Amino acid sequence: QVQLQESGPGLVQPSETLSLTCSVSGASISGYHWNWIRQTPGKGLEWIGYIYYSGSSDYNPSLESRVTISVDTSKNQFSLKLTSVTAADTAVYYCVRQPSRDGYTDFFDYWGQGTLVTVSS
Amino acid sequence: DIQMTQSPSSLSASVGDRVTITCRASQRITKHLNWYHQRPGKAPKLLIYAASSLDGGVPSRFSGSGSETDFTLTISSLQPEDFGVYFCQESYNAPYTFGQGTKLEIK
Repeated sequence: QVQLQESGPGLVQPSETLSLTCSVSGASISGYHWNWIRQTPGKGLEWIGYIYYSGSSDYNPSLESRVTISVDTSKNQFSLKLTSVTAADTAVYYCVRQPSRDGYTDFFDYWGQGTLVTVSS
Repeated sequence: DIQMTQSPSSLSASVGDRVTITCRASQRITKHLNWYHQRPGKAPKLLIYAASSLDGGVPSRFSGSGSETDFTLTISSLQPEDFGVYFCQESYNAPYTFGQGTKLEIK
């Protein structure tokens, strides 16, 4: 059974950097794209970006200047860094697997439970 | 970005009812459309990908149809565990975008 688990601080100071790690079990991180998606009551679900196990990545242009997603295949983990956070970055953050089914990709089959990150002083 | 618009925003239905949720894309996306179900406090769960393919383990009462700009999720016979919020998501172009959600309540 594939499981994803987010970890990291639940409270981040404004202007600081949000850092989260996703630990993957039950599947190798190799061969897949791994995503971060966040959810707020106001904006709904927002795709942040993905990283491929090889290290290539793509980000949402709305966040691209502040986002870095990295992968550690030796630990079967991937991570998110979001710099210069404001209250608008307060959200539940999910780490999510992106599979490939008969060549169809860009959808999300396994999700972490989500972690609430609050930006506040 | 592609805008995804769902309707209705909320609905209430009884066990056994047939329920239909619609998702409209702001541009043509062929069949690059996926559906998710989210219960309160839980992560979204994949139901349907590529507009009409049921994910493994998803009950057959769920079905999806449509192409290009207009898509439908149908629950043929509503069950109590089907309450929650349903989202569509386009996978035609990054940045991948989601609909605003349809909240389904069981009467």
